[in-house]
Amino acid sequence: EAGVAQSPRYKIIEKRQSVAFWCNPISGHATLYWYQQILGQGPKLLIQFQNNGVVDDSQLPKDRFSAERLKGVDSTLKIQPAKLEDSAVYLCASSLAGPLTGEQFFGPGTRLTVL
Amino acid sequence: AQSVTQPDIHITVSEGASLELRCNYSYGATPYLFWYVQSPGQGLQLLLKYFSGDTLVQGIKGFEAEFKRSQSSFNLRKPSVHWSDAAEYFCAVGAPVQDKLSFGAGTTVTVRA
Repeated sequence: EAGVAQSPRYKIIEKRQSVAFWCNPISGHATLYWYQQILGQGPKLLIQFQNNGVVDDSQLPKDRFSAERLKGVDSTLKIQPAKLEDSAVYLCASSLAGPLTGEQFFGPGTRLTVL
Repeated sequence: AQSVTQPDIHITVSEGASLELRCNYSYGATPYLFWYVQSPGQGLQLLLKYFSGDTLVQGIKGFEAEFKRSQSSFNLRKPSVHWSDAAEYFCAVGAPVQDKLSFGAGTTVTVRA
């Protein structure tokens, strides 16, 4: 079974530029998550999708971050414009059910450096 | 809101020695508790989870964890570590009503020969 795929693996941009990350979840997984993991901290949920609908985006900085999940499968996370404090690893995960009852499978992450 | 504290930022252990990672949570009711491991360059992998029942939970890779309600703890243990156990370990707590998961800051484990 293929795992969660993410691209790119690494990205370096300058502040005020825009960037987009892509995630392909495990086939059949209805729930998709985007996490931000800042160095020295645990993952923080940015947004959770159930199929192509948003379940929780309470911690998503909506003035600069946006995310969509096309047709309930792939997802993209965009930052525009980027700030220095956005430097982090962005993790995508998917699960059959919700975060507590369905095991989350994580992708390798995209490491973003904002200069 | 639920929260979790991992008091140890970094632990060094000799190969073959035992390992215990501490995790303390804050939640008003019985939480759902998880331990994840993150190897360098890889995503997080679930080691074990506790929902209810037996307070000693067995996981993958020879790990176990014990839920102690009186201490609000969910410590992770392994009797004999292998060099491949070098990784970052995250404890997470879930609030069943909100269906949300919160991660601790993690503990980095270094294994010396």
